[in-house]
Amino acid sequence: LAKTTQPISMDSYEGQEVNITCSHNNIATNDYITWYQQFPSQGPRFIIQGYKTKVTNEVASLFIPADRKSSTLSLPRVSLSDTAVYYCLVGAPLSSASKIIFGSGTRLSIRP
Amino acid sequence: EAQVTQNPRYLITVTGKKLTVTCSQNMNHEYMSWYRQDPGLGLRQIYYSMNVEVTDKGDVPEGYKVSRKEKRNFPLILESPSPNQTSLYFCASSAGKGSNTDTQYFGPGTRLTVL
Repeated sequence: LAKTTQPISMDSYEGQEVNITCSHNNIATNDYITWYQQFPSQGPRFIIQGYKTKVTNEVASLFIPADRKSSTLSLPRVSLSDTAVYYCLVGAPLSSASKIIFGSGTRLSIRP
Repeated sequence: EAQVTQNPRYLITVTGKKLTVTCSQNMNHEYMSWYRQDPGLGLRQIYYSMNVEVTDKGDVPEGYKVSRKEKRNFPLILESPSPNQTSLYFCASSAGKGSNTDTQYFGPGTRLTVL
């Protein structure tokens, strides 16, 4: 299982774009990259998943360079409600390798 | 509504008194998992199950048992709880094999205190 490294914390302001980078130098060929968001005392919530290049949904974008050794979660125009911990996970699809390792996550604080 | 439910949500117990935390999902998911979350340590996987009667250890299985007799249920059993098992516990499920995103859906959490 690939180890991930993320910044411990980040601060930003409402309306700004926030980019959180995750490093995963030992990513394997069949690994996917998944991001979760967690609010205090709640379970994590899936945000986005990708394998390569760029993935976009209604919440965020995920940028993955060609070497796949890192990925960047991009949150456009954040609001106070985006204050949460964001986790980057790297691993094969659950059908083939089912142990999951969450890293320490990035605590994002949004200010008015 | 698609959901993962856990019971109880809060529990205070004493050392050595066996307890079970239930987890149920209504999405016909094959994959289920238990995590514990402690300050500064993030989420750590305890046990997971790929399907009925198939379970395996995660990163921190010591002191816990699980069973998967039915697809929808995945109870977490603490045979002899100790204070170091005081934690916030989450159950999660995923479609697993054949799914597109392997998205895990998490329950609301169970806050356990062992005195």
